[in-house]
Amino acid sequence: QQQVKQSPQSLIVQKGGISIINCAYENTAFDYFPWYQQFPGKGPALLIAIRPDVSEKKEGRFTISFNKSAKQFSLHIMDSQPGDSATYFCAPSGYSTLTFGKGTMLLVSP
Amino acid sequence: DADVTQTPRNRITKTGKRIMLECSQTKGHDRMYWYRQDPGLGLRLIYYSFDVKDINKGEISDGYSVSRQAQAKFSLSLESAIPNQTALYFCATSGWGLEQFFGPGTRLTVL
Repeated sequence: QQQVKQSPQSLIVQKGGISIINCAYENTAFDYFPWYQQFPGKGPALLIAIRPDVSEKKEGRFTISFNKSAKQFSLHIMDSQPGDSATYFCAPSGYSTLTFGKGTMLLVSP
Repeated sequence: DADVTQTPRNRITKTGKRIMLECSQTKGHDRMYWYRQDPGLGLRLIYYSFDVKDINKGEISDGYSVSRQAQAKFSLSLESAIPNQTALYFCATSGWGLEQFFGPGTRLTVL
């Protein structure tokens, strides 16, 4: 049973465009909804996270939108830059452990 | 001056060999984790420890064991390595917050 479904698997966006990555989950015990960013040769690092008591959180060009009833949350990257090219993982959490999605490889073309 | 270090960074071994991957952290965190990453599969939790006396199995613990030698050290062992354990292994730590801090990874190849 796949608890976390992330889409798309890969994404190509032109510089300045909007990148959108989606995550659907099944476990209603999840209470923390982060996105991690991973560059080649590095470990993942927290990008942005949201708690279920709010529907949206914005940090600079990055926004999380959260829909509790649909059990979905998404990452929006505004004004995408080549430096945003990386793999992104949703990793919802319950009981202090993270459950990672399979990842989305984002390529921002110059 | 990395907060989470892993040794070795790369390792090639043969089927049946015992191998240990080590993780050290200077963040003062109580919680430590081991994950493996395979292409297209994301990161999967192998074992985790919330303090020195606490060890818990994760999603894919079969074929692995761990040792929490101190607050700052958490080791992962493969008692008898097999080729499908070829992967990228990450150690992570967290404090009371839910953010996890990852090490640089160990690339393990089992021939």
